Amino acid sequence: QVQLVQSGAEVKEPGASVKVSCEASGYTFTNCPLHWVRQAPGQRLEWMGWINVGNGDTKYSQKFQGRVTITMDTSASTVYMELSGLASEDTAVYYCGRDGVDSSGRALDFDYWGQGTLVTVSS
Amino acid sequence: QVVVTQEPSLTVSPGGTVTLTCATSTGAVTRGLYPYWFQQKAGQAPRTLIYDTNYRHSWTPARFSGSLLGDKAALTLSGAQPGDEADYYCLLSYSGFRVFGGGTKLTVL
Repeated sequence: QVQLVQSGAEVKEPGASVKVSCEASGYTFTNCPLHWVRQAPGQRLEWMGWINVGNGDTKYSQKFQGRVTITMDTSASTVYMELSGLASEDTAVYYCGRDGVDSSGRALDFDYWGQGTLVTVSS
Repeated sequence: QVVVTQEPSLTVSPGGTVTLTCATSTGAVTRGLYPYWFQQKAGQAPRTLIYDTNYRHSWTPARFSGSLLGDKAALTLSGAQPGDEADYYCLLSYSGFRVFGGGTKLTVL
């Protein structure tokens, strides 16, 4: 079955960087783009960006442009999200989410989600 | 910067019907923005309810339906159950860039 398994919780100091991984299994990794979404405590979901795992193309939200980098390792079926210049406002749960297709071949974004990774930024 | 707006909170009685809406600062929500609706319960990851305006995910109960209502996307819940109490988010796509709405906290009371 499809699974997206994310790396464990992180605690970082202000100004540092964090790299969160999302390991995919149960499907052909290169067929499905992957997104990163975050949610600060008690706040709304925020789309950060996505990667076309087939060719490595990326798109980033303007809010995070210049601070976020999404990469992949096809040999490990893993996508990474690195966020630099961390501040307390970056304390959040970070999720990866897959773009799939339904039984009719229609695009179905975010059909599977990772379990979330809590990143805490604190001095 | 695109802003996607939802009602901050709504309340529905058990068995009742409620409509959540999703508006964009760019004008009208159309099928071309591929509206999605997600349900998120406390402490859980979101899950997709409705995609591409009105298609239900395989696990979405039939009491949830998606549509366009005027210049907004809409999620209608008919026959609300206590277990439907959750946060609901819409998502719109702008040439591949996604933007979530602020979310609606739905109370079933």
